Amino acid sequence: DAKTTQPNSMESNEEEPVHLPCNHSTISGTDYIHWYRQLPSQGPEYVIHGLTSNVNNRMASLAIAEDRKSSTLILHRATLRDAAVYYCILRMMGSSNTGKLIFGQGTTLQVKP
Amino acid sequence: KAGVTQTPRYLIKTRGQQVTLSCSPISGHRSVSWYQQTPGQGLQFLFEYFSETQRNKGNFPGRFSGRQFSNSRSEMNVSTLELGDSALYLCASSLGTSGSTDTQYFGPGTRLTVL
Repeated sequence: DAKTTQPNSMESNEEEPVHLPCNHSTISGTDYIHWYRQLPSQGPEYVIHGLTSNVNNRMASLAIAEDRKSSTLILHRATLRDAAVYYCILRMMGSSNTGKLIFGQGTTLQVKP
Repeated sequence: KAGVTQTPRYLIKTRGQQVTLSCSPISGHRSVSWYQQTPGQGLQFLFEYFSETQRNKGNFPGRFSGRQFSNSRSEMNVSTLELGDSALYLCASSLGTSGSTDTQYFGPGTRLTVL
């Protein structure tokens, strides 16, 4: 799987938007971009995924650069509950990789009241 | 719908012993994957089972093994425990049929301490 690069940590104020960047310069045309997060003392949870177009769901938005070499996870209004480690993961197309996630070090997001 | 459950939640063993961890996936999910999480190495993929067959395997020694039953429940076994096996062991379930868009649902993990 191609490699992703994320900042080790970021800070945000409560109720402000947060933009979490991810670089994936070696992404291939068939790689999906997934984001998971891990709240303290919990297992990771799915946040969002996309291929080429920007995506929105109830948790967040995913903005994907036109060349797909980078993406940004956007939390529109951060809450204290959003403090977590956020992982950007590339997943190669193909059923053989279905159950396999390759986690990097992720970005630790701190939300200040 | 009930989430992924793992038992036990906490376990203390001594070096040389073996341990079996259990994972019950979300109803209808046929894929179960296992991960090891340590402060030094982060989250590392161990293996995935789909319809009772191992479909993917990470880079772990043969002391780590698993199996899946016909009801999709899975067990992971670690033999001849070493101090370095102390970790949080997470399992995740998914439908297993959506390829690279398959969403993984994680359990709370089993905290294994090896003394």
